[in-house]
Amino acid sequence: QVQLVQSGPEVKAPGASVKLSCKASRYIFIDYAIHWVRQAPGQGLDWLGRIKAGNGDTEFSPKFRGRVIITRDTSASTAFMELSSLSSEDSAVYFCARSVPDYSSFDSWGQGTLVTVSS
Amino acid sequence: DIQMTQSPSTLSASVGDRVTITCRASQNIKGWLAWYQQMPGNAPKRLIYKASTLESGVPSRFSGSGSGTEYTLTISSLQPDDFATYYCQQYDIFALTFGGGTKVEIK
Repeated sequence: QVQLVQSGPEVKAPGASVKLSCKASRYIFIDYAIHWVRQAPGQGLDWLGRIKAGNGDTEFSPKFRGRVIITRDTSASTAFMELSSLSSEDSAVYFCARSVPDYSSFDSWGQGTLVTVSS
Repeated sequence: DIQMTQSPSTLSASVGDRVTITCRASQNIKGWLAWYQQMPGNAPKRLIYKASTLESGVPSRFSGSGSGTEYTLTISSLQPDDFATYYCQQYDIFALTFGGGTKVEIK
């Protein structure tokens, strides 16, 4: 079945940037969108943004716009999310998730990547 | 942003109970609503989309209903595997938003 495999845990200093990856397999990458959702410890789910893998079109949450960049490499069936100007409030598990391009509910999820921001 | 208000935040129930979780949107989301189940330490799993369409492989004891701004997730007979946290999510317009979650606990 569909697989989304995310990169490993990260520890970053305040003010730094982090770039996470999400490698897709067992489906046609360019036919879907990839979203990024995060979950702080003990908290709910927060959507950061998405990229349509076919044409690269992006949408972002106003909360993160200007701090988040989402890209993809179609030859590697991989999506990337870079978050800059990190603070302790960005410590969370970051998930990638798949949707069809025009209806953004998530039918498959990655395993999550823990990002810890600490001095 | 569309605000999604989910209630209750915690629910204590027994195996076999009928359970209902409510999600209210701050504006009409035209049925573009999904429900997810999340077990501790795991990614969420979609149960229902388009308010009432059951995901393939999800047991029929789960059902969704609603329209406009009011939506419900019902578990007709709670099973041990169902003790988890449930989230609603609107996908009518960007920015996508989630409810705050409902933790279903063992009474």
